[in-house]
Amino acid sequence: DQQVKQNSPSLSVQEGRISILNCDYTNSMFDYFLWYKKYPAEGPTFLISISSIKDKNEDGRFTVFLNKSAKHLSLHIVPSQPGDSAVYFCAVANTNAGKSTFGDGTTLTVKP
Amino acid sequence: DTAVSQTPKYLVTQMGNDKSIKCEQNLGHDTMYWYKQDSKKFLKIMFSYNNKELIINETVPNRFSPKSPDKAHLNLHINSLELGDSAVYFCASSRGQGRNYGYTFGSGTRLTVV
Repeated sequence: DQQVKQNSPSLSVQEGRISILNCDYTNSMFDYFLWYKKYPAEGPTFLISISSIKDKNEDGRFTVFLNKSAKHLSLHIVPSQPGDSAVYFCAVANTNAGKSTFGDGTTLTVKP
Repeated sequence: DTAVSQTPKYLVTQMGNDKSIKCEQNLGHDTMYWYKQDSKKFLKIMFSYNNKELIINETVPNRFSPKSPDKAHLNLHINSLELGDSAVYFCASSRGQGRNYGYTFGSGTRLTVV
């Protein structure tokens, strides 16, 4: 029972353009959502989070959008840079559960 | 100065052996986790400890036993290793549940059982 899905295993964009990574979840009880970036041979690194009471959170080049009715969140990176090339994981969590459930990741390649 | 450190980084061992992976965090976090990343790249939670107390124990074989001697350390001991245990194991920590700042992960331990 996969509660979090990232339907695009990979995404390739040109440097300077926008990268949009998507994530769908099944349980409306999740109340906060996070994105992580992972480079090879390293652990995931936290990028940005959003609470279920918001629909947008912005931090520099990174913006997370939450559509609760569609159970969908997305991460926008603009402008994309070659250093952004990594695997991106979305994670969902419920305050009562005390754990994050991760998607299976999307590999982003930003071409110079 | 590494925030969450795991040792060893690589571990190759034979079926049936017992092995341990150590994890230490110097962030002052009160919650620590073990996650397993399998060949399909899913990160699945195994255990969570808060201030040395077991909070989450997912459906994990009894051969896996976590131990938290203090809130800065969370070790993972695996008995009678099987081929299917081969994976990358990540330790992580957070302040509380990590709502605003997420988890801080270690760099992972790649376990290969032969």
